[in-house]
Amino acid sequence: ETGVTQSPTHLIKTRGQQVTLRCSSQSGHNTVSWYQQALGQGPQFIFQYYREEENGRGNFPPRFSGLQFPNYSSELNVNALELDDSALYLCASSLIGSNNEQFFGPGTRLTVL
Amino acid sequence: GENVEQHPSTLSVQEGDSAVIKCTYSDSASNYFPWYKQELGKGPQLIIDIRSNVGEKKDQRIAVTLNKTAKHFSLHITETQPEDSAVYFCAASATGFQKLVFGTGTRLLVSP
Repeated sequence: ETGVTQSPTHLIKTRGQQVTLRCSSQSGHNTVSWYQQALGQGPQFIFQYYREEENGRGNFPPRFSGLQFPNYSSELNVNALELDDSALYLCASSLIGSNNEQFFGPGTRLTVL
Repeated sequence: GENVEQHPSTLSVQEGDSAVIKCTYSDSASNYFPWYKQELGKGPQLIIDIRSNVGEKKDQRIAVTLNKTAKHFSLHITETQPEDSAVYFCAASATGFQKLVFGTGTRLLVSP
């Protein structure tokens, strides 16, 4: 059984640019959630994807968007990057109906200069 | 919206001592309470969870208790070891709402 993987590990962008982060879910899981973790804070829910559609969203602006593919992998896209977007972006996979057990990947560290 | 408070923010213990981390939640609809361990440079790792129909759950040196009336739950680690040193997060969610709401984390340091 393979765990959740994310790419890239680290990324440096400048303000105003766009970024795409990728996540492969754990085998057997059909749902992907994305979280933003600022330094010294707990993860904050961005949104979740199930059956290739957004299935819930946290308090993040529309410039945060995502996709889920038929193989359940997912992308997080952030447009018009701001300095405050610098954070660790975590992907978590789960199985709908599994009572919310979510398993996290190692994260992508995004730095916006 | 749901809010989860976690205390203490830092906890230092000697190897072999017990450690207790406490969390309170605000949404009475919450019914799932996981605990995650996050080591430096890694993603959170699920270490134990408890659901609202259970008051206590134990897995070797780790136990979690839940008091639904008071809306608080706690993580207990016995016989701590240096490798237990990490940041621990509590979280809460409600059925039908897949998002986890996390506490602010507790940095546990176990000294040999």
